[in-house]
Amino acid sequence: KNQVEQSPQSLIILEGKNCTLQCNYTVSPFSNLRWYKQDTGRGPVSLTIMTFSENTKSNGRYTATLDADTKQSSLHITASQLSDSASYICVVSDRGSTLGRLYFGRGTQLTVWP
Amino acid sequence: EADIYQTPRYLVIGTGKKITLECSQTMGHDKMYWYQQDPGMELHLIHYSYGVNSTEKGDLSSESTVSRIRTEHFPLTLESARPSHTSQYLCASSDSQGQGEFSSYEQYFGPGTRLTVT
Repeated sequence: KNQVEQSPQSLIILEGKNCTLQCNYTVSPFSNLRWYKQDTGRGPVSLTIMTFSENTKSNGRYTATLDADTKQSSLHITASQLSDSASYICVVSDRGSTLGRLYFGRGTQLTVWP
Repeated sequence: EADIYQTPRYLVIGTGKKITLECSQTMGHDKMYWYQQDPGMELHLIHYSYGVNSTEKGDLSSESTVSRIRTEHFPLTLESARPSHTSQYLCASSDSQGQGEFSSYEQYFGPGTRLTVT
């Protein structure tokens, strides 16, 4: 069964600190992995997208890593800001269909305190 | 920021009413999607479309229906709303990049409609 598991479920950090969010997946055949940021009451916004040949990608203070062998990914946030408070969703796409179906994790709810 | 819009943003309606959730995108994307999301849970695909006059059911069974008469418009309709339909509904659209089996595509989401059925 294709699944995406994220940890931790929730996380509280102080402003300016770094944090790392984890994602494990069993989706096969693998096409790509994305990290989305979803603010409360809004739609998800893409942060990074990586194919199997990429093992790291950055977008400002966000750095995603991918280990396609162990089927693990992480999202590292440096120098956190209050605006980073959101749910971070790991999404994996398969390449077994024309649609390239997306499998969503439940997200990690990050809260940044001043 | 993506040019994809949803209306209404919030809707509270009584049981048995017919409702239509609107979704429009101005990016010319062929593929469009509807997802349902409950608090703290993952998004579930309920409908998708490859293009005009193409609609398919997604992974999660839904009593809603969709239509795709124009490329930019992908409305979702509930003929008779029930409390079990209370949820957030997210519309998305995508382009296609690359070729072959390793193609990737960016999926852009609208702001969502929070539906409450009383």
